[in-house]
Amino acid sequence: KNQVEQSPQSLIILEGKNCTLQCNYTVSPFSNLRWYKQDTGRGPVSLTIMTFSENTKSNGRYTATLDADTKQSSLHITASQLSDSASYICVVRGTSGTYKYIFGTGTRLKVLA
Amino acid sequence: SAVISQKPSRDICQRGTSLTIQCQVDSQVTMMFWYRQQPGQSLTLIATANQGSEATYESGFVIDKFPISRPNLTFSTLTVSNMSPEDSSIYLCSALTGVGDNEQFFGPGTRLTVL
Repeated sequence: KNQVEQSPQSLIILEGKNCTLQCNYTVSPFSNLRWYKQDTGRGPVSLTIMTFSENTKSNGRYTATLDADTKQSSLHITASQLSDSASYICVVRGTSGTYKYIFGTGTRLKVLA
Repeated sequence: SAVISQKPSRDICQRGTSLTIQCQVDSQVTMMFWYRQQPGQSLTLIATANQGSEATYESGFVIDKFPISRPNLTFSTLTVSNMSPEDSSIYLCSALTGVGDNEQFFGPGTRLTVL
């Protein structure tokens, strides 16, 4: 069964600190993996997208990594800000089936001053 | 890119009634989708809204309960019919702007509470 699991479920850090969120998936065959940020009461907004051949992709203070062999991805947030408080969702698309995206349950991040 | 708006942003409804949610995209898109996000949960795909034809529903979702329209390339509606408290959720509209691995954009969501 195609699944996407994220850890931790929730995380609290102090402003200025770094953190890393994890995503493990069993989706196969694999097409791409995306990380989204979802602020409370808003729709998800894309941070990064990586295909099978990409290992790292950055978007400002956000850096995503992908290990397609172990089916793991991480999202590293550097020098966290209060505005980083949100849910971060890992989404994996398989190659079978049109536009079938498997959503992780998300990690809820809270950044404290 | 695509900017997606939804109406209403939130509503409180009585059991047994129906609510239609509108989704408007600021540009023509190839694919439109409707998702449900229950409290503390991730997104679950309800259906793909097909322009000019019946929507394609995911397992567990049926047309009688969630009728969908997509009359053109920028607009879609989702109706939640004969509502029960279990339908309380956030409903999100989404769109793809091209083919292949194009970015998937999301609307702000409609927060529905059924009493």
